[in-house]
Amino acid sequence: DAGVIQSPRHEVTEMGQEVTLRCKPISGHNSLFWYRQTMMRGLELLIYFNNNVPIDDSGMPEDRFSAKMPNASFSTLKIQPSEPRDSAVYFCASSFNGGNEQFFGPGTRLTVL
Amino acid sequence: QKEVEQNSGPLSVPEGAIASLNCTYSDRGSQSFFWYRQYSGKSPELIMSIYSNGDKEDGRFTAQLNKASQYVSLLIRDSQPSDSATYLCALCGAGSYQLTFGKGTKLSVIP
Repeated sequence: DAGVIQSPRHEVTEMGQEVTLRCKPISGHNSLFWYRQTMMRGLELLIYFNNNVPIDDSGMPEDRFSAKMPNASFSTLKIQPSEPRDSAVYFCASSFNGGNEQFFGPGTRLTVL
Repeated sequence: QKEVEQNSGPLSVPEGAIASLNCTYSDRGSQSFFWYRQYSGKSPELIMSIYSNGDKEDGRFTAQLNKASQYVSLLIRDSQPSDSATYLCALCGAGSYQLTFGKGTKLSVIP
């Protein structure tokens, strides 16, 4: 079975540009999580969805960040406008019914110049 | 605010030895506990979960949980160079969807 799929794997962009990260969860999983990982702050939860509905977006750093889940098999995380401090690895994870046993995608390494 | 504390390491052990990784947490309501392994440049991979006090063994890995002391550990027996990675402790509260992660302990197994 395919795991969590993320695209792109690497993204280099210039400050001020819009960035869209994509995620396809494991089939049958109804919970989806977006995380950001940096050396300084570790792994931080940005937002999670349950049954396509955003449950908690308190980890979203600013209004520049937004996330959507239009259906059970697709989610996006958008940063507009991007800033150098957004440079990090962004992971998407999915699970069945919540926090237990989350499975991570390969991540998107974002560099904002 | 839930906190999960791990020694950042690096923890160096010789090949064949037992590696002991420790994690303490602040939220007494935590119910589910997980250990993830993350190789450099890769994503976190779930290796162990534990839900009740005591020990849980899976191959060379043993997870230990003591809720009274708010302490969870991971033992790796017969450590191999391929075990060299960062190990992340994570926990989840009762009825919660949210995992809280520690910053991880970097393990280095020396051949």
